[in-house]
Amino acid sequence: GAGVSQSPSNKVTEKGKDVELRCDPISGHTALYWYRQRLGQGLEFLIYFQGNSAPDKSGLPSDRFSAERTGESVSTLTIQRTQQEDSAVYLCASSKSLYGYTFGSGTRLTVV
Amino acid sequence: AQSVTQLGSHVSVSEGALVLLRCNYSSSVPPYLFWYVQYPNQGLQLLLKYTTGATLVKGINGFEAEFKKSETSFHLTKPSAHMSDAAEYFCAVRGAITGANNLFFGTGTRLTVIP
Repeated sequence: GAGVSQSPSNKVTEKGKDVELRCDPISGHTALYWYRQRLGQGLEFLIYFQGNSAPDKSGLPSDRFSAERTGESVSTLTIQRTQQEDSAVYLCASSKSLYGYTFGSGTRLTVV
Repeated sequence: AQSVTQLGSHVSVSEGALVLLRCNYSSSVPPYLFWYVQYPNQGLQLLLKYTTGATLVKGINGFEAEFKKSETSFHLTKPSAHMSDAAEYFCAVRGAITGANNLFFGTGTRLTVIP
């Protein structure tokens, strides 16, 4: 597609439930990134996929968070046993190089 | 370690006035620096970037930024604010690992333009 597509755009879940967020990158973009944006805060790096290399998971806040990407296509971010502090906007971006980040519109996650 | 500090979480300017959004960085490698803008309920858009070469970079919508190595700064300016400039602005620096493409973002500055 023309842009980075994220789904769902909004998600409300009960504390303790698992959620799965999806990101469709721009075709041909080898790199894919997940960021978390809490209310009133900046973007917090979560994970970075580059081609077939092992992902950089250094930003994942706990073992409840995991992400997968098949090749250079769709990525899913999974949060298990959600907590209220997980409430945030989760942003995905893709790029062919350092200079060409394209962000999606994000998934707003609310844990109640 | 890579980091950016944006001074002022909120900045208000009158329409037509100068816009100045401050960004200072820390980088263990020659920095690549970026400014992104986020309009309400939208993703981030690249405004401008500095990699190498000319230290004054021009971006979209009349914005520009100057890389000052001695001050470790990359402040964003626009001579005359428009109402449409109201948004959140993020400064970012690249990761330090050679070949890495990940960016580290500041906490953002929300710009309000007063009519």
